[in-house]
Amino acid sequence: DAGITQSPRHKVTETGTPVTLRCHQTENHRYMYWYRQDPGHGLRLIHYSYGVKDTDKGEVSDGYSVSRSKTEDFLLTLESATSSQTSVYFCATRAQGLWETQYFGPGTRLLVL
Amino acid sequence: DAKTTQPNSMESNEEEPVHLPCNHSTISGTDYIHWYRQLPSQGPEYVIHGLTSNVNNRMASLAIAEDRKSSTLILHRATLRDAAVYYCILPTSGTYKYIFGTGTRLKVLA
Repeated sequence: DAGITQSPRHKVTETGTPVTLRCHQTENHRYMYWYRQDPGHGLRLIHYSYGVKDTDKGEVSDGYSVSRSKTEDFLLTLESATSSQTSVYFCATRAQGLWETQYFGPGTRLLVL
Repeated sequence: DAKTTQPNSMESNEEEPVHLPCNHSTISGTDYIHWYRQLPSQGPEYVIHGLTSNVNNRMASLAIAEDRKSSTLILHRATLRDAAVYYCILPTSGTYKYIFGTGTRLKVLA
């Protein structure tokens, strides 16, 4: 399994506060992804990165920003958290190459009050 | 991005084979077909993927239609542990952007 960790694993915050979630990998994978998962919606892509400092939007990027200053870390920031951003957040990585697949982290459960 | 269509849910009896279908009529020639599954309270995990030929691994088999507009994930003997949501995905070539959708929820009956 790819060495992917997410921190924190659980967080409770208040509406209007900034929140940063961290994804760390030890596999030197080029691609990294942030997803959110809500009941009835499956997994939805927020942002992804195809290299250091190279990121792009996914399906549900409004209210989120990302940064990737080094290969191993991909940060997801909620500038001003809202209750609609209460969700489970998953990070994933992928090596370069047509045949490669994604590996997922354990998830971060975020509750915005 | 190529779109996939899967049934919302399926049921199977334990120890019997399960065929999970996926339609992807807008697939392009270089799109790989990926399958992932998500067990309760866990992150998704890779199951299998292929391009044109049928593929087998220790978890499952993937049967790809000749025109590549559909595929079927085959679990040869379903166990209770196979109860999960199964996702069929076509990552966008080049960007490797994965759009998961809602998948098929498989229920395995004892």
